[in-house]
Amino acid sequence: AQSVTQLDSHVSVSEGTPVLLRCNYSSSYSPSLFWYVQHPNKGLQLLLKYTSAATLVKGINGFEAEFKKSETSFHLTKPSAHMSDAAEYFCVVGGGFKTIFGAGTRLFVKA
Amino acid sequence: DSGVTQTPKHLITATGQRVTLRCSPRSGDLSVYWYQQSLDQGLQFLIQYYNGEERAKGNILERFSAQQFPDLHSELNLSSLELGDSALYFCASSVGSTQGAGGNTIYFGEGSWLTVV
Repeated sequence: AQSVTQLDSHVSVSEGTPVLLRCNYSSSYSPSLFWYVQHPNKGLQLLLKYTSAATLVKGINGFEAEFKKSETSFHLTKPSAHMSDAAEYFCVVGGGFKTIFGAGTRLFVKA
Repeated sequence: DSGVTQTPKHLITATGQRVTLRCSPRSGDLSVYWYQQSLDQGLQFLIQYYNGEERAKGNILERFSAQQFPDLHSELNLSSLELGDSALYFCASSVGSTQGAGGNTIYFGEGSWLTVV
């Protein structure tokens, strides 16, 4: 069975400061992991994906995530937040019959 | 632009009515997925079709049905609509049949906003 937990429902940062969105997963086999972003009234856009290649995955818009098997984590980071990063972020685990979406983390960016 | 096209973008209808949402997947993608996103339930997987056949079923109500046509476009039919069916309905597509496995990435459309009044 698979599951995914996004540890924060809301994260607030100031523009120019680092972003950390936390995600823990559970999977009985080697998972594929994804981060998606959803801007208001928009669809989900793929930020990055991990598929058992490099553990540090670089995505679009300066985001990256590190797969840590020992911690069963796949946290999303960005060195410097921009106002346009304000959105909802979903951590997703796949690799099986169904894809499991996390509950989402709303990122607020203050000027 | 993900390449997944959904119509209509917005729809307002009355309780008890029936609506059809349409989706065209990305060129070359054989799988189509339907999701429902509401404020109280989050993102819920409804159903998946692969190359015209039902592949996986999620939390889809009996009042809802879907199909995928030979040209690979898909329709989601919602009938006997209730106020609680008001939500954003997403279509997504991928190349393969196994969601997320081995990098089988799912690409989402912009969604169809359904309001039931």
